[in-house]
Amino acid sequence: GAVVSQHPSWVICKSGTSVKIECRSLDFQATTMFWYRQFPKQSLMLMATSNEGSKATYEQGVEKDKFLINHASLTLSTLTVTSAHPEDSSFYICSAGPGLPLGGEQYFGPGTRLTVT
Amino acid sequence: AQSVSQHNHHVILSEAASLELGCNYSYGGTVNLFWYVQYPGQHLQLLLKYFSGDPLVKGIKGFEAEFIKSKFSFNLRKPSVQWSDTAEYFCAVGNAGKSTFGDGTTLTVKP
Repeated sequence: GAVVSQHPSWVICKSGTSVKIECRSLDFQATTMFWYRQFPKQSLMLMATSNEGSKATYEQGVEKDKFLINHASLTLSTLTVTSAHPEDSSFYICSAGPGLPLGGEQYFGPGTRLTVT
Repeated sequence: AQSVSQHNHHVILSEAASLELGCNYSYGGTVNLFWYVQYPGQHLQLLLKYFSGDPLVKGIKGFEAEFIKSKFSFNLRKPSVQWSDTAEYFCAVGNAGKSTFGDGTTLTVKP
């Protein structure tokens, strides 16, 4: 199956700083990637759809100025958490799939655990 | 808007017991349905999916699920669970790759 990687796998940052998380499709090109957030013992919440070469589409309630998404190439999307606060601490997961968005399944990255102190 | 409801938050079974995890969804259009599993310390993996055709779908590791359109359900089953099935299970409904997940069910299998 397709492989999606994320970097870093965990990061600790101080309140007020910014953190960048990378999502890469390793063996396929991804015109569309998805960013999810998972709280402990809770489900995945879709944050935004990342589109290569265009602006990301954010879900209702997600601050686009706080969670900056850049999909600069067909294999890389980045999520930058700006001016991080402790409530931004969470598990961030990206997904992609070779057939998306037209069809097919999505493959998930291993996730990035962000802790803001 | 689409939504997914998983009825069981935590299920505890002994090895060899049968498993059924409930999943109901609400969505007005054509849906793709998924079950994902997240083993401790690992990332989400696809167990099985339904796009169209035979409503009884078989996935990896002996899991199967049945799509019942009239009930808006997509329950996951396994006739005999193993200790290694201990994990978090998520039902999801998707369209064009954009998926809505249920809250998940934690399955604990006692040896």
